Order: sequence, then C-alpha cells, then structure tokens
Amino acid sequence: GAGVSQSPSNKVTEKGKDVELRCDPISGHTALYWYRQSLGQGLEFLIYFQGNSAPDKSGLPSDRFSAERTGGSVSTLTIQRTQQEDSAVYLCASSRSDRVDNEQFFGPGTRLTVL
Amino acid sequence: SQQGEEDPQALSIQEGENATMNCSYKTSINNLQWYRQNSGRGLVHLILIRSNEREKHSGRLRVTLDTSKKSSSLLITASRAADTASYFCATVLRTGGFKTIFGAGTRLFVKA
Repeated sequence: GAGVSQSPSNKVTEKGKDVELRCDPISGHTALYWYRQSLGQGLEFLIYFQGNSAPDKSGLPSDRFSAERTGGSVSTLTIQRTQQEDSAVYLCASSRSDRVDNEQFFGPGTRLTVL
Repeated sequence: SQQGEEDPQALSIQEGENATMNCSYKTSINNLQWYRQNSGRGLVHLILIRSNEREKHSGRLRVTLDTSKKSSSLLITASRAADTASYFCATVLRTGGFKTIFGAGTRLFVKA
C-alpha cells in the first residue's frame, strides 16, 4: 500500500470492554507513532517505536493502554477496560528513522466511541 | 500544558487574503513542523524548519522561527477556499528522541 492504513475505521464498544486498534505503516518506515485526538483538539502523543529500541511509552495515559509492534512493522494499540473518556480518534503515523527531521505520514485514524 | 500552542484558535478570512498563524513552545527543540488537517485528506505534513533556521518558504507558505522567543509563525499567502483546514505546529524536542508534541491547532476558514 502507498500509505499508512489503520483498522477498524470506526469502533463502538461498551464501557469495560477491551479494544484493539491496528496500524500498518508505510513499508520501510522504522519509526511508528500513536496519537489520540479528542473532538476539536490537538494530537496527544501516546507512544512511539523506533526500530528495535525500547518504545517511548511516556504518553500513555494509564496502564490500561499498551501497544506492541511485531516484526518491526504492524502495530496494535490495546485499551483494556475502556472508559467513556477514551472516546477519541486514534491516529497512527510512521516515518523513516534515519533522520530526526523526517516528516510523519499519518493514517486515516480509528474513531473509538465508548458507550 | 502542552508544548506547542497556536493562536489564534480560529481564523476566518476572504479568499485572496493572507493568513498568519502563530505557535509558541516551551522547551528546546530540534525542529518545528507544521501540519494541516482537513476532513478529506487527514493530517498532512506541510513544512519543517530546523532550530538553526530562521525562515523557510514552500510555495505559498512561509514559516519563521524565533528560538529566542520560542515561537514560530506560518503565513499562507493568497489564500484559497481549499486552504480551509486546521493547522498544527509540532515540535520535536532536542532531548526527546523522535517524540513529537502537537499543539491544539488553528482552525482556518477561507470564504470564497
């Protein structure tokens, strides 16, 4: 694929359920980011993966949030025991990692609604 | 509060006018980037300015950076209705690896 893809595009879940959000980065991009965007707000950094290094998890809002990146490619963001305040658009981005000033390419996002 | 705060929060102009948006940040940065977000194309990178640069141009875009004031501005000249979008500045921290902090954005509306 030409760009970053995310699935599902929309997810409606009940409070207390677990959800998994998937991100497929651009082939060859070794840096991957997850952000959260609430309605009308900016992007909130959640976590970033850089090659085989330990991920920077400093933005995860609670221990209910976790993310994995398997094989240096696909990433999954998991939210356990979802709460209504978790409702937001979750955006994934990837970039080449050989330079710190590479632009990030964003996916279309997953809109999560927790009822 | 978050690194990277834009002002104004919203801006409405006529087609053909120039639009200026400002961004302030708090800590030392490696570079500052501007992104645009609209419903049709999602978030798209516009331009990057490094901490040792003061001004950069790309088409109708002009970005300035003043590291002494920890501020940047984005100027869009001869605006078009298609420029209607939200504009975000994003800072890559000097000691933060690749961690990127986005501001809350400026919503620009260009009237045809």
